[in-house]
Amino acid sequence: KNEVEQSPQNLTAQEGEFITINCSYSVGISALHWLQQHPGGGIVSLFMLSSGKKKHGRLIATINIQEKHSSLHITASHPRDSAVYICAVRQNYGGATNKLIFGTGTLLAVQP
Amino acid sequence: DGGITQSPKYLFRKEGQNVTLSCEQNLNHDAMYWYRQDPGQGLRLIYYSQIVNDFQKGDIAEGYSVSREKKESFPLTVTSAQKNPTAFYLCASSDWLGSTDTQYFGPGTRLTVL
Repeated sequence: KNEVEQSPQNLTAQEGEFITINCSYSVGISALHWLQQHPGGGIVSLFMLSSGKKKHGRLIATINIQEKHSSLHITASHPRDSAVYICAVRQNYGGATNKLIFGTGTLLAVQP
Repeated sequence: DGGITQSPKYLFRKEGQNVTLSCEQNLNHDAMYWYRQDPGQGLRLIYYSQIVNDFQKGDIAEGYSVSREKKESFPLTVTSAQKNPTAFYLCASSDWLGSTDTQYFGPGTRLTVL
């Protein structure tokens, strides 16, 4: 079993829909990242969370540390949101490292 | 414009050849990382470096080598010992290894072994 699991693996939505992508993890963490990878391959960091909720434009990320779960929400989705969304966690094992454990990603396609 | 550059974007190599992937950053970051991405799998860490002239093996270092002679550069060599080198390779950097700071990623190099 992977230490970081994302669901769904694939998601197709109509423009304007509200989208939720989920991430569950099984290790203790000090931070969780949401990343976006466009078809060309480059990766952009969207959020880094250690508690609560963050919002940037139409994107909202939440984390529940007790339940070891995070969600990424996209409001009023648009075709330009089509990408792979990746959840990554920084495991908290006392070492001085910024090593991340990555989920396999959620492929989102937003149709006009 | 601050960022990370990787070259080339596409690379083809014959079996048995070594090949070096370039990664340069002008963000003045101390830490740099190399990841490999395969279809259906999460990114996996190959090597990382927290300071010039120092680097550590990641989870899948076999068949790879790196150097860190300058702060801004962290080239990755895929050697002929790497049994399945065809993959997408991503370089990243962060402010320092022990922080929770965001990692910044380069555009990636897609390596195909013919």
